[in-house]
Amino acid sequence: GAVVSQHPSRVICKSGTSVKIECRSLDFQATTMFWYRQFPKQSLMLMATSNEGSKATYEQGVEKDKFLINHASLTLSTLTVTSAHPEDSSFYICSAIPRGIAGTDTQYFGPGTRLTVL
Amino acid sequence: GNSVTQMEGPVTLSEEAFLTINCTYTATGYPSLFWYVQYPGEGLQLLLKATKADDKGSNKGFEATYRKETTSFHLEKGSVQVSDSAVYFCALRESGGYQKVTFGIGTKLQVIP
Repeated sequence: GAVVSQHPSRVICKSGTSVKIECRSLDFQATTMFWYRQFPKQSLMLMATSNEGSKATYEQGVEKDKFLINHASLTLSTLTVTSAHPEDSSFYICSAIPRGIAGTDTQYFGPGTRLTVL
Repeated sequence: GNSVTQMEGPVTLSEEAFLTINCTYTATGYPSLFWYVQYPGEGLQLLLKATKADDKGSNKGFEATYRKETTSFHLEKGSVQVSDSAVYFCALRESGGYQKVTFGIGTKLQVIP
């Protein structure tokens, strides 16, 4: 089946630094990728929709300058948390829709990245 | 806005027990409904889905029926196995062109031998 990887799986950083999280579709091309955030004991919250070659679409309340998304190729999207603070500590999950497939029924999820900001 | 409510868990069952994980939703229009499963260390996987009222989704012995009158999509399995231990997420996708998916909180299931 289709596989989506995320790197790193865990990251700890100091407050004020920036952290980049990669999301890769390993065996398919993805024109659309999604970034989610999950707080403890809460559901996944969609942060933004990333389309290859164009600017990401952010959900209401998500700071574009804080969470930089770059979908530079059909197999890679990156999320950069800039000037991270402890409140940015969370579990970040990406998903990808294979190129040529319509509908989010076939979105494939990565295993997630645990970010801890000290 | 749209929302999905499911039991928080964890749910602990003995092998071969009957499983029910409740899920109710709030949405405008006619959403599609999903159950996703996340095994330890892996990403979410689509378990089953239903796209209209009275549809029953099924996969790997799991079933869920789209009940519009009660706005529910409860997940059931007649006999759970240790390998079913995972986190289960109920979700909906709003009708129309926008493909946004709203997830529930996730319910952790632990099946003991």
